[in-house]
Amino acid sequence: KAGVTQTPRYLIKTRGQQVTLSCSPISGHRSVSWYQQTPGQGLQFLFEYFSETQRNKGNFPGRFSGRQFSNSRSEMNVSTLELGDSALYLCASSPGDRGGNEQFFGPGTRLTVL
Amino acid sequence: AQTVTQSQPEMSVQEAETVTLSCTYDTSESDYYLFWYKQPPSRQMILVIRQEAYKQQNATENRFSVNFQKAAKSFSLKISDSQLGDAAMYFCASQGGSEKLVFGKGTKLTVNP
Repeated sequence: KAGVTQTPRYLIKTRGQQVTLSCSPISGHRSVSWYQQTPGQGLQFLFEYFSETQRNKGNFPGRFSGRQFSNSRSEMNVSTLELGDSALYLCASSPGDRGGNEQFFGPGTRLTVL
Repeated sequence: AQTVTQSQPEMSVQEAETVTLSCTYDTSESDYYLFWYKQPPSRQMILVIRQEAYKQQNATENRFSVNFQKAAKSFSLKISDSQLGDAAMYFCASQGGSEKLVFGKGTKLTVNP
């Protein structure tokens, strides 16, 4: 099976712009979760989508949003970028049908905000 | 709410030796799962080992094993016969009631030849 893929791998944006990141889960996985990784805050949960519905949400401002398509691919959008949004954004997929599933992570998208 | 604490920001071990990484957690969930993930310098996060909290038996995966002390809310990872490829950031994580993983800050493991 192909692993989780994320595009693009690297992005450079300026403050005030918006950005869209994409995640393709492992075939058959219906849950996609997004995490932000920074040196200061570590790994923080953004949100999880399951069958095109946001099922869980972390403690991030409304500038961070996402969606999931019928093929389980997910996108994450950040509007009005701030310097503090510079981070590695990881997505993870799992079957999502029960607790304790292993989550499979993608390689991440490195976002730099100038 | 769930919290995960890794008190060792960095650890080092000699090749072929054994090292133990510490993790404590707190959760209000009665049914939860605990994980150790490894993130090598290439950044791809991979699962090392998984423990179901309702199972008393400690999980083992080849050279990796855990010491799960439920009452103490402790979940340490033991790596035996350390190899150069074990060098990475190791994250302890908990999951309860949803797909959300709560991670610790991580422990950077260096393996010395």
